[in-house]
Amino acid sequence: QKEVEQDPGPLSVPEGAIVSLNCTYSNSAFQYFMWYRQYSRKGPELLMYTYSSGNKEDGRFTAQVDKSSKYISLFIRDSQPSDSATYLCAIGLGGKLIFGQGTELSVKP
Amino acid sequence: NAGVMQNPRHLVRRRGQEARLRCSPMKGHSHVYWYRQLPEEGLKFMVYLQKENIIDESGMPKERFSAEFPKEGPSILRIQQVVRGDSAAYFCASSRLGRGTSSEQYFGPGTRLTVT
Repeated sequence: QKEVEQDPGPLSVPEGAIVSLNCTYSNSAFQYFMWYRQYSRKGPELLMYTYSSGNKEDGRFTAQVDKSSKYISLFIRDSQPSDSATYLCAIGLGGKLIFGQGTELSVKP
Repeated sequence: NAGVMQNPRHLVRRRGQEARLRCSPMKGHSHVYWYRQLPEEGLKFMVYLQKENIIDESGMPKERFSAEFPKEGPSILRIQQVVRGDSAAYFCASSRLGRGTSSEQYFGPGTRLTVT
């Protein structure tokens, strides 16, 4: 079993839709949780980070962590074509980040 | 405020040659991490360094790979006697705080290594 599982997609939605991206993890010792966005042939860009169960909102993005279920989510409201990218969840322990496989998202105009 | 810088952006090496990848962290960051992204695979942790110290090298292959972060200058990831399987994108990240504390990692643009 992988330490972090993420559905690779691809996921295609119409412009304006709400997008839900999810990851599960196996190690309850994980300390912090991040979401990155990666455009093709670019470096990952940090979108959200959190350290505790609950919700964190930043503009159109909401990160949700449920430590009891070992489940994290990223919601994107009013999705735009410019949101088309690969979204990576990353879970941290010590200085190391363990990444999910990434979900490829396409937002159609 | 300049982000994480990596060079070269593209590197072509023939089998058996050495590859040197450089990373300059963001200003004010003293923690550096290297990750590798193989085609069709996710990002994999390789090594975590602070100035003059290797903190965690649990993801580094046992042979041919080494990393350093000297007191002065960039962090270097060195791959000796490259093989075709080393072809990948290598990303460097940096953070202001280190392990055991809240620490967001910011990534550079990557170096794409091609071994012919």
